[in-house]
Amino acid sequence: AQSVTQLDSQVPVFEEAPVELRCNYSSSVSVYLFWYVQYPNQGLQLLLKYLSGSTLVESINGFEAEFNKSQTSFHLRKPSVHISDTAEYFCAVIRGGSNYQLIWGAGTKLIIKP
Amino acid sequence: NAGVTQTPKFQVLKTGQSMTLQCAQDMNHNSMYWYRQDPGMGLRLIYYSASEGTTDKGEVPNGYNVSRLNKREFSLRLESAAPSQTSVYFCAAQLDRNPYNEQFFGPGTRLTVL
Repeated sequence: AQSVTQLDSQVPVFEEAPVELRCNYSSSVSVYLFWYVQYPNQGLQLLLKYLSGSTLVESINGFEAEFNKSQTSFHLRKPSVHISDTAEYFCAVIRGGSNYQLIWGAGTKLIIKP
Repeated sequence: NAGVTQTPKFQVLKTGQSMTLQCAQDMNHNSMYWYRQDPGMGLRLIYYSASEGTTDKGEVPNGYNVSRLNKREFSLRLESAAPSQTSVYFCAAQLDRNPYNEQFFGPGTRLTVL
C-alpha cells in the first residue's frame, strides 16, 4: 500500500537558521508530490508541488523541495527560517493511476526558537 | 469571497448523539472532500464528492454519511457518535479531481465525543 513517512514529528530550529523537513514515500510508479502547511488554528494550504519536469520546486515564501526518484524522497528546505514559519507541514502523495487520492504523512511541527 | 467555510467550529457530543457538520464553498468548484485529522496520523479521507450528485467512500467511511446538497454544500453526518470519532474534521474543495488542481481547506471543526 502507498505510504508517506515524515520521520520527524517536531523540528526545533533557531530563527534565521536553515531547516530541512524530511519526507519519504513508497511507490515504484510515477507520483505527484505535495507539501501543505497548516498555521495554528487554520486549515491546510498548498505550499508547493511536484507534478513533472524540473525536480526542484519552489514556493513564494522561500521554501524549496527536491524530488529524488532514486531515494523516493521529497524533502522540504528553507535556508533561513522566520518566526512566521511556525506551523505544521504535511507531505502528501498521489500515485499515478490511483483515482487521484491524496495519501498524507503524519506531519512535522516546525518550532522556531527566537 | 470566503473560500471554504465550516460550521460549527467546536462541538461536544455525548456517545450516541447525532449531528451534521456543514461545509460550503463559493469557488464554484466541482469536487469536495471530508477529512479527519488525528494526532500523529495526518489526514484521512472519509468521503468525497467528485461532482454534484455523486459521493464515494474514502479510507475511513464507517460511522459517517454525507450529502452533496448542491454544488456549494457538502455535509457530513454522524448518526450515532462514538468516542473514536473525536477528531478535527476538515472540508476541502477542488476545481475537479485532478492532481494539477489545488485542494482548498476550510478552518476545521473540532469535535469531542464523551
